[in-house]
Amino acid sequence: EDQVTQSPEALRLQEGESSSLNCSYTVSGLRGLFWYRQDPGKGPEFLFTLYSAGEEKEKERLKATLTKKESFLHITAPKPEDSATYLCAVQANDYKLSFGAGTTVTVRA
Amino acid sequence: EAQVTQNPRYLITVTGKKLTVTCSQNMNHEYMSWYRQDPGLGLRQIYYSMNVEVTDKGDVPEGYKVSRKEKRNFPLILESPSPNQTSLYFCASRSGGLEQYFGPGTRLTVT
Repeated sequence: EDQVTQSPEALRLQEGESSSLNCSYTVSGLRGLFWYRQDPGKGPEFLFTLYSAGEEKEKERLKATLTKKESFLHITAPKPEDSATYLCAVQANDYKLSFGAGTTVTVRA
Repeated sequence: EAQVTQNPRYLITVTGKKLTVTCSQNMNHEYMSWYRQDPGLGLRQIYYSMNVEVTDKGDVPEGYKVSRKEKRNFPLILESPSPNQTSLYFCASRSGGLEQYFGPGTRLTVT
């Protein structure tokens, strides 16, 4: 069974304090690993797709990386507007998408 | 504007009263799916549809039904809702790529 575990559950940062979120996974045949951002009361917003180990993607202060067993979402010099829950998901060969429980990031000014 | 819409956004109902949550997308996507989100459990897939008239069960299909008669619409049906179906529901769609686009959510409370 596909499993996705995110850590930590919650992360409190000062503005400008860089940090990383972890997503470890076990899946039979990875087709893609996804990162989403979710604001309270809203639907998840797509951020990145990673397809193979060694791949990296960047968007503003966010950078996602992928190894064979885990992915990291690095937040560089975060701002309060980066506060959100970040979700990791994996897609296996049968088109099933499995999500982790998420990491809630709070950035204080 | 490309989007996935859901209605209603909020719903309070009583045990056993049939309800339907509608989902519509204007991106001509083949693939659509329904998820529920519960605290500490993350998003769990209920049903998905690869195309018109093609649907399949996800991880938690018990107590739910779906239909896909048109490409743009994918309603979620609860024929006899129970309190354990109180949750936040999301519809999502995608085209040939893998990235899914989510609707704004429907918060359902069953008393």
